[in-house]
Amino acid sequence: KQEVTQIPAALSVPEGENLVLNCSFTDSAIYNLQWFRQDPGKGLTSLLLIQSSQREQTSGRLNASLDKSSGRSTLYIAASQPGDSATYLCAAQVTGGGNKLTFGTGTQLKVEL
Amino acid sequence: GAGVSQSPRYKVAKRGQDVALRCDPISGHVSLFWYQQALGQGPEFLTYFQNEAQLDKSGLPSDRFFAERPEGSVSTLKIQRTQQEDSAVYLCASSWEDTGGAEQYFGPGTRLTVT
Repeated sequence: KQEVTQIPAALSVPEGENLVLNCSFTDSAIYNLQWFRQDPGKGLTSLLLIQSSQREQTSGRLNASLDKSSGRSTLYIAASQPGDSATYLCAAQVTGGGNKLTFGTGTQLKVEL
Repeated sequence: GAGVSQSPRYKVAKRGQDVALRCDPISGHVSLFWYQQALGQGPEFLTYFQNEAQLDKSGLPSDRFFAERPEGSVSTLKIQRTQQEDSAVYLCASSWEDTGGAEQYFGPGTRLTVT
């Protein structure tokens, strides 16, 4: 059974700092790894999707990497802003798992002025 | 175009009541998923449809939970005789293909509170 872990559970940083969020998964047989953002009381916004054949994806100030062999993904946020404050979730889609996503418990990020 | 929509956004039910939660996926999307998110946790899979066929219901926590998608578009998640432990946000997602690897797009969720 796929298990996904995110570290740290919470993070507080000053504005402008670069930061890294970590995601680890136990089953390397995945189709893809997705990073989401969730604002309080809201649904999930997809940030980046990395297919299993890819090593990284970039969108603006966000860069996500994937290392299947070690079961790890990282989300790098450059020059953080207060508007980046949210909970960040990673999710793995396991091959043969019926297309469902297995989520981590998230990292709650606060970027302070 | 319109994204995934869910209704109601908020639902308060007394213990023992039945509730029905609706999901309108993105038009043309073949796959539809329901997830349950407890407070402070990541979403957990409940069930999956490919068109009108329910292919995986392994995540439904009890036989009080029932989902349907009769015409392959709108889906309804029904919870009978609600219990306090059913309080959670219920998220619906859709994707355009039925093979593995397609991106899932999420709705805003329905927050269910059972009192």
